[in-house]
Amino acid sequence: ELKVEQNPLFLSMQEGKNYTIYCNYSTTSDRLYWYRQDPGKSLESLFVLLSNGAVKQEGRLMASLDTKARLSTLHITAAVHDLSATYFCVGEDYKLSFGAGTTVTVRA
Amino acid sequence: GAVVSQHPSWVICKSGTSVKIECRSLDFQATTMFWYRQFPKQSLMLMATSNEGSKATYEQGVEKDKFLINHASLTLSTLTVTSAHPEDSSFYICSARRGIQETQYFGPGTRLLVL
Repeated sequence: ELKVEQNPLFLSMQEGKNYTIYCNYSTTSDRLYWYRQDPGKSLESLFVLLSNGAVKQEGRLMASLDTKARLSTLHITAAVHDLSATYFCVGEDYKLSFGAGTTVTVRA
Repeated sequence: GAVVSQHPSWVICKSGTSVKIECRSLDFQATTMFWYRQFPKQSLMLMATSNEGSKATYEQGVEKDKFLINHASLTLSTLTVTSAHPEDSSFYICSARRGIQETQYFGPGTRLLVL
């Protein structure tokens, strides 16, 4: 069974600084997703990573995938308050396997 | 884009009653729909997978007689929480996908509070 581990689980960011969330998974995953969840809301898709070496960027967020290391990272550049949310790393074999989530708080 | 809706968005009910939650794919046909449950400050947990026209497959530990899932058409799946109790209070999220290799699209969620 595919298991996904994220760290850190909580991340307090200072505005303007850079941070990285790490995601390790246990077995082969067909694809790797990153989602954002705001309090009381459902999931917002951020990235879908399909192959080794994949890198995707959207605004201040950049996600990468290393299938050999079974590692994905979500890098946040120059954090801003709007990025405060919970971020989930999700692997997929025959079903989705969610990481525990990383709760991000951006402070001034 | 692919849009998935849920109804109702929130529901409050008395203990012992049954509650039905609908999940609809609005602009695509979903061969498979999924139901997740999320408790406060926790991750999403898959409850069951339903394919149109067949019985749902439940994850270990999920009572199939308590959480009835019907996927009668390619655009609609329903989750009925039977004889709801306070411990069933949670955020229920559905997702849908067109085919096996396709991305899942998530609904907005239904918040259930059982008093």
